[in-house]
Amino acid sequence: DAGVIQSPRHEVTEMGQEVTLRCKLISGHNSLFWYRQTMMRGLELLIYFNNNVPIDDSGMPEDRFSAKMPNASFSTLKIQPSEPRDSAVYFCASSPAANNEQFFGPGTRLTVL
Amino acid sequence: RKEVEQDPGPFNVPEGATVAFNCTYSNSASQSFFWYRQDCRKEPKLLMSVYSSGNEDGRFTAQLNRASQYISLLIRDSKLSDSATYLCVVNAGANNLFFGTGTRLTVIP
Repeated sequence: DAGVIQSPRHEVTEMGQEVTLRCKLISGHNSLFWYRQTMMRGLELLIYFNNNVPIDDSGMPEDRFSAKMPNASFSTLKIQPSEPRDSAVYFCASSPAANNEQFFGPGTRLTVL
Repeated sequence: RKEVEQDPGPFNVPEGATVAFNCTYSNSASQSFFWYRQDCRKEPKLLMSVYSSGNEDGRFTAQLNRASQYISLLIRDSKLSDSATYLCVVNAGANNLFFGTGTRLTVIP
């Protein structure tokens, strides 16, 4: 099994640009989580989906952030427009069920200049 | 107040030493507890779940104290390969999953 796949692995962009992060779940898993990690704030849950349905998006920092899950195996996290304070590592994780162990992808390291 | 609090360390210990990390949580309704390990520039990975009766996996022992709302991780006979950041994770139900900011451990030869 390939595990959780994230792309791109690194993204450097300029302030104001749109950024789209992608995640492919482990086959058979039905819960997906987006996290953001910074030195100052640690690992923060942004949003999670269960069976393609967004369950809790209270961690999404503001309207510039949006997440979709167009099918059972794929999700995107979009930031538009991006700001320097969005610089962080964004992790996607999947789980066979909402309360089970979460398997993390390798992360996308985002730098907004 | 943060949902989960951890001592960030760093903990620098010699090989063979025993080291313990504690983590406190604020929600008394929390239902499940985990320790994750994160290596530098890598993703977090589950180290072990924490059960009410305490549990052991080789050199690692996890304990839960519901009355005082803390969990602990004990590492015996530290190896160089144990150097990592250890994240305390608390699930308060309805998948309200909260991660601590992590405790950094460096095992020195």
